[in-house]
Amino acid sequence: SQQGEEDPQALSIQEGENATMNCSYKTSINNLQWYRQNSGRGLVHLILIRSNEREKHSGRLRVTLDTSKKSSSLLITASRAADTASYFCATDGNDYKLSFGAGTTVTVRA
Amino acid sequence: DAGVIQSPRHEVTEMGQEVTLRCKPISGHNSLFWYRQTMMRGLELLIYFNNNVPIDDSGMPEDRFSAKMPNASFSTLKIQPSEPRDSAVYFCASSRAGGITDTQYFGPGTRLTVL
Repeated sequence: SQQGEEDPQALSIQEGENATMNCSYKTSINNLQWYRQNSGRGLVHLILIRSNEREKHSGRLRVTLDTSKKSSSLLITASRAADTASYFCATDGNDYKLSFGAGTTVTVRA
Repeated sequence: DAGVIQSPRHEVTEMGQEVTLRCKPISGHNSLFWYRQTMMRGLELLIYFNNNVPIDDSGMPEDRFSAKMPNASFSTLKIQPSEPRDSAVYFCASSRAGGITDTQYFGPGTRLTVL
């Protein structure tokens, strides 16, 4: 079963607005990663946050991690049409495997 | 850097035929992963290689699926015989060391349709 589950399943926003999506997971993790997938393409790594970190930034991306609630959020600020994609969280367990959620599909309207 | 290369990008075949998907990982990466993505099941890890050795194939759905990595720059995923339920997008990914903190770099995928 999938370790991480994203919420919402789909999100539609206007260009320039912020987009927020959440990821919840079941078991303890070492790290949590966010990936983006454009239509018809492979996944692209966006950001990794370690279990001892609470917040991380990368450009217009902001990721938070709350290990007590077993949840993470990804915020995209000042969204652009190019941000239209599916976003996946991936969590690791005690082995090498990454477990991907079902993804949040983000549509940015011009 | 060319990134992870997969071929073919699209494959349409008939039930019962053999299908071979190919992957060239990023040079210098010593871990390789095969995933399958479907609407129903999302992204599933099929098999993982480290230094060309299969470490875990517990995700391989059936004996009809097999994967090889004869050298550090090439891997194949074979389905024989193929069935319509194998229709999916198959991704290959590689990472530098395969540790749990390592970023995985995905190829563009092979979209397989089995009629």
